[in-house]
Amino acid sequence: GQQVMQIPQYQHVQEGEDFTTYCNSSTTLSNIQWYKQRPGGHPVFLIQLVKSGEVKKQKRLTFQFGEAKKNSSLHITATQTTDVGTYFCAVTGNQFYFGTGTSLTVIP
Amino acid sequence: DSGVTQTPKHLITATGQRVTLRCSPRSGDLSVYWYQQSLDQGLQFLIQYYNGEERAKGNILERFSAQQFPDLHSELNLSSLELGDSALYFCASSTALAGMETQYFGPGTRLLVL
Repeated sequence: GQQVMQIPQYQHVQEGEDFTTYCNSSTTLSNIQWYKQRPGGHPVFLIQLVKSGEVKKQKRLTFQFGEAKKNSSLHITATQTTDVGTYFCAVTGNQFYFGTGTSLTVIP
Repeated sequence: DSGVTQTPKHLITATGQRVTLRCSPRSGDLSVYWYQQSLDQGLQFLIQYYNGEERAKGNILERFSAQQFPDLHSELNLSSLELGDSALYFCASSTALAGMETQYFGPGTRLLVL
């Protein structure tokens, strides 16, 4: 079945440092989505990537889809305390798979 | 506010009991998804309904069942509850069936089985 590995599992950064989380699949993906879940909250959709090599930006967030469409990354530039939360990638196969998530802690 | 509502917010029950979790999707959304989130298992997809019909099934136990009603609200029934069923249960909705539509998550129901 579909396997989606996400690394790292946890990341602590000083405010102002950059942060990157990676999502890797064992199979070629048709598309990939990213969600953010704040502590105590529910997952919130951030973005969807569809094309090979696609790069999308949302302010300080940069999302990238690998050329082979087997991996994706989310990069946050100059983290802020509002970036705290768990970031999930999500893919479809015959069901819906969420990555294990990367929990980001930002130290003021 | 995503527009998806879930009730109840919290539920405390005993092992062996049966509970029903309720979800109302966003207005106009035909797809409803159920997820289980526990500390050690992450976000696990359970089941999807589209316009009243089951469309995809994930890691849903036989003790669990779900349905979507004509008014599009959905219920997740958990029976013969075990301690390990304690988790946060999310419902999400989207507009379409195919592809990977944006899923809008409700606030979740926190279930504690004692």
